[in-house]
Parts: sequence; structure tokens; C-alpha cells
Amino acid sequence: QKEVEQDPGPLSVPEGAIVSLNCTYSNSAFQYFMWYRQYSRKGPELLMYTYSSGNKEDGRFTAQVDKSSKYISLFIRDSQPSDSATYLCAMSPGGGRLYFGRGTQLTVWP
Amino acid sequence: GAVVSQHPSWVICKSGTSVKIECRSLDFQATTMFWYRQFPKQSLMLMATSNEGSKATYEQGVEKDKFLINHASLTLSTLTVTSAHPEDSSFYICSAKQLAGLYEQYFGPGTRLTVT
Repeated sequence: QKEVEQDPGPLSVPEGAIVSLNCTYSNSAFQYFMWYRQYSRKGPELLMYTYSSGNKEDGRFTAQVDKSSKYISLFIRDSQPSDSATYLCAMSPGGGRLYFGRGTQLTVWP
Repeated sequence: GAVVSQHPSWVICKSGTSVKIECRSLDFQATTMFWYRQFPKQSLMLMATSNEGSKATYEQGVEKDKFLINHASLTLSTLTVTSAHPEDSSFYICSAKQLAGLYEQYFGPGTRLTVT
């Protein structure tokens, strides 16, 4: 079993929809949780990060962490075509090394 | 802030030659830099972790004599692919971490290597 599981999609939604992206993990030592956005042939861009359980909101993006269920989510409200990208979850027990999910490919069509 | 650059962005080389990829943190000092490899539609695979002034730590299955990593300063790390073969063709991405103890990593734009 991989330490971080993420459905690769693809996920296709109309503009304005609410998008829900999720990851599960098996390592209870993970304390730091991140979401990265990666456009085609570009490096990942840090979108959100959360420490331990809870919610964090930044504009149209909301990150949720449920450590009891080992489940993290990223919600995108009022999705835009410019949100079309691959979204990678990543997590760490601390100390630097990140463990990535496979990435979910999202397309938002006008 | 927290910008990481990579050079070159794309390189084509002949089989058997060596290629050097540079990773620079432009506006911060990076105590630790990471090198990843990414195949199409796949996630990032960590190759090695390098700390400034120390030898790199390679992940299991990564040939340290083939992928030479040097982290000579707090703003520069290099990855040299030696005696490249077509199967080394991939997207190589570096990331940098600010200071010890913080967990955010900032990624470079990646380098596409094609070996003919």
C-alpha cells in the first residue's frame, strides 16, 4: 500500500462548479499537509498548507485535514478555466521530506 | 518571494554524454534542496536530498554514480546526469527548503531532458 493515495482522475467540471479533491494516507506520523498545483510541463506551485487537523481558507480554496480518518481535502469554489491543472497532495512528518500523491488532473470547461 | 530557478529548462543530448542541471534559490537561502524525477502523468519521485556542504542522500534504487549532486552553496545545487541513456529522458525538478525546521518546499520550473 502506498503511503499517500490520490485518485488521478481525470476530473472535468463546468466553470463555476465546486471542486473537491481528496487524498488518504496511512502514516499517522504525518503532521504537515500541503496542496500543490502543477500546470503542464511546469514545476509544482504551493497552494495551501495546513498543520495537523482543521480547516484553512484562502480565497476560493479551502483545505481540510481529518487526522482521525487520515483524509485530506481541497475544495475549489467558483472554479475557473485557469484552475485547470494537476493538483498534488503532499504531506510530511516534519524534517523536510515530502510524500506526494499521484496527482489529480482537473479540467474546468467554460 | 521564495523563487527557485532551474537551468536549462530543456536540454537534448546524445547518448553517452553528461548533462548538468542547475537549481538556484533566488531570494532565500536553502539549507536543503531536493531533486525529483517525474514521468508523464505520474507523481514526483524523490531522487535525493542534499544539504549544503554535505554529501547527498540518495533514495533506494537511485544510482549515486550516475546522478551526481553537488550543493556547494546555500543558493545553488547541481544535478549531473553522467553517461546519459535514452531511459534517463524525463522531467527533473528541484525544490528548496528555507531554514531548518520549516516544511514548505518551493519548486523550480523543471528541466526536460531528452537523450537521443
